[in-house]
Amino acid sequence: GQNIDQPTEMTATEGAIVQINCTYQTSGFNGLFWYQQHAGEAPTFLSYNVLDGLEEKGRFSSFLSRSKGYSYLLLKELQMKDSASYLCAVMDSNYQLIWGAGTKLIIKP
Amino acid sequence: IAGITQAPTSQILAAGRRMTLRCTQDMRHNAMYWYRQDLGLGLRLIHYSNTAGTTGKGEVPDGYSVSRANTDDFPLTLASAVPSQTSVYFCASSPGTDTQYFGPGTRLTVL
Repeated sequence: GQNIDQPTEMTATEGAIVQINCTYQTSGFNGLFWYQQHAGEAPTFLSYNVLDGLEEKGRFSSFLSRSKGYSYLLLKELQMKDSASYLCAVMDSNYQLIWGAGTKLIIKP
Repeated sequence: IAGITQAPTSQILAAGRRMTLRCTQDMRHNAMYWYRQDLGLGLRLIHYSNTAGTTGKGEVPDGYSVSRANTDDFPLTLASAVPSQTSVYFCASSPGTDTQYFGPGTRLTVL
């Protein structure tokens, strides 16, 4: 079966750095996506990785290792507005997105 | 209109009633999707359409139907609602097999 695993909840301090991990087992791989979802709102696109390595976009970076079935999202200089759920999704061989349950990130002052 | 819109924002529905959730996009995206999101679970694909005139079944299609008469609209119909269909429903679109953009969602409660 297809499976995406990520921690249910994480807590971090304002101004700090947090790493959210995602491991996956899917039938085929056509890229990995990270989305941010604030409570009561729609998911919004953060990043896309299809090749191994690190993609940096401002305070957010995303890493992929296809051989390990592993990705992480790194958030630097945390702000209170970063309190949200972070969703990991893998595009499988049929070009359908398989979604993890999301990691709820709580930022404390 | 800018992006994707969904209607209604929320709805309380009696079991057994028929309900259509509306989704419209103005980005001329070929592909459109319907997901449901339940607490503790990832987004689950209900139905999708790769282009106008075609539709396909996702992971959880039972009890739902869709149509894609044109590029912009992708309505989702519950023929006879049941309490297990209580959920938040998101419509999404993408230019092709890449980044999906989501509508604001419809919160549906079936009693």
